[in-house]
Amino acid sequence: AQTVTQSQPEMSVQEAETVTLSCTYDTSENNYYLFWYKQPPSRQMILVIRQEAYKQQNATENRFSVNFQKAAKSFSLKISDSQLGDTAMYFCAFTPMGGPGGYQKVTFGTGTKLQVIP
Amino acid sequence: KAGVTQTPRYLIKTRGQQVTLSCSPISGHRSVSWYQQTPGQGLQFLFEYFSETQRNKGNFPGRFSGRQFSNSRSEMNVSTLELGDSALYLCASSSNSGSRGAYTQYFGPGTRLTVL
Repeated sequence: AQTVTQSQPEMSVQEAETVTLSCTYDTSENNYYLFWYKQPPSRQMILVIRQEAYKQQNATENRFSVNFQKAAKSFSLKISDSQLGDTAMYFCAFTPMGGPGGYQKVTFGTGTKLQVIP
Repeated sequence: KAGVTQTPRYLIKTRGQQVTLSCSPISGHRSVSWYQQTPGQGLQFLFEYFSETQRNKGNFPGRFSGRQFSNSRSEMNVSTLELGDSALYLCASSSNSGSRGAYTQYFGPGTRLTVL
């Protein structure tokens, strides 16, 4: 069974500063995806960034980047130049890569509540 | 492309009643997953459907059931509602086509169920 652990229940950051959210996972799979999702107070879950485990290069999406350490099973999210709109719950998630039409079960962490302070 | 839609957005029921929630995935997506989100338990996986077949089920009682139609739309049913079923129910779809990004789940806005 896969597990995803987010050890920081809450974090805060000053506007324009940089913050890093931690995530570790446990799996025996070799091929998988990792995700960070954002859920603002409006409750719509939004994909922030995705990383394929077979890629060594860390994924980047504008101000969001990850530090993917496969051997350590670590997948942290860095938010640069934090904005008020980044205030949200952030979930780390894992899914094995099952192939076309393959079985999928996404495991989510418990979330980190991020508050961006003006 | 239109996103994942869920209806209704809000629902109030009383204990013992049953409820049906609906989810329409992104066009072309064949996999639909359902999650229950509560402040205490976080996001918990209910079940996943692909091509009208339930492929995986989470650890929920039999009162929770679902189905998927040939157009990939999915419904979730909860019978004999209990107070503890009050939650945000999220639906997510993915293509599972084998192409890059196929396993990315895209979420709907959720249905807020309140059981009185």
